[in-house]
Amino acid sequence: EAGVAQSPRYKIIEKRQSVAFWCNPISGHATLYWYQQILGQGPKLLIQFQNNGVVDDSQLPKDRFSAERLKGVDSTLKIQPAKLEDSAVYLCASSPQGDTQYFGPGTRLTVL
Amino acid sequence: GENVEQHPSTLSVQEGDSAVIKCTYSDSASNYFPWYKQELGKGPQLIIDIRSNVGEKKDQRIAVTLNKTAKHFSLHITETQPEDSAVYFCAARPGENTPLVFGKGTRLSVIA
Repeated sequence: EAGVAQSPRYKIIEKRQSVAFWCNPISGHATLYWYQQILGQGPKLLIQFQNNGVVDDSQLPKDRFSAERLKGVDSTLKIQPAKLEDSAVYLCASSPQGDTQYFGPGTRLTVL
Repeated sequence: GENVEQHPSTLSVQEGDSAVIKCTYSDSASNYFPWYKQELGKGPQLIIDIRSNVGEKKDQRIAVTLNKTAKHFSLHITETQPEDSAVYFCAARPGENTPLVFGKGTRLSVIA
């Protein structure tokens, strides 16, 4: 069974630029999560999707972050404009019924 | 909301010794407690989990114990090997189909 796929693996941008990350969850997994992991800390939820609907986006900085999951499969997370403090690893995870979560390798974002 | 505290932040053990990592949680409604291992440059990998109706679970050299009354759970790794070196995260799930709340991680070093 293929795991959660994410791209790109690394991204370096300057502040105020925009960036987008892509996630392809495990086939058949209805729930998809985006987490932000700052160096030295545990992952923190940004947004949770159930199929193509948003379940929880209470911790998403909506003035600059947006996410969508069209057709209930792939998802994209966008930051526009980026700030220095957005430097982190962005992890995508999926689960079949909101239980066990499986993580992708993450995208390491550096904002200069 | 849920808050998860994890100790210690770093742990060094000699190869063959045991390692214990402890976590406490605040929300008595939490019912699912996974442990993840994260190697450098990779996403978190689930290594074991426990649900609130069980007090202990083992999988070869890894075991997890849960004390619901005290609201704490622990990871035990026996006969440690150098490949066990990684950052370990505990997490708690406050309710059905809710996102995980992670601890800050423990960096385990197994010295050969």
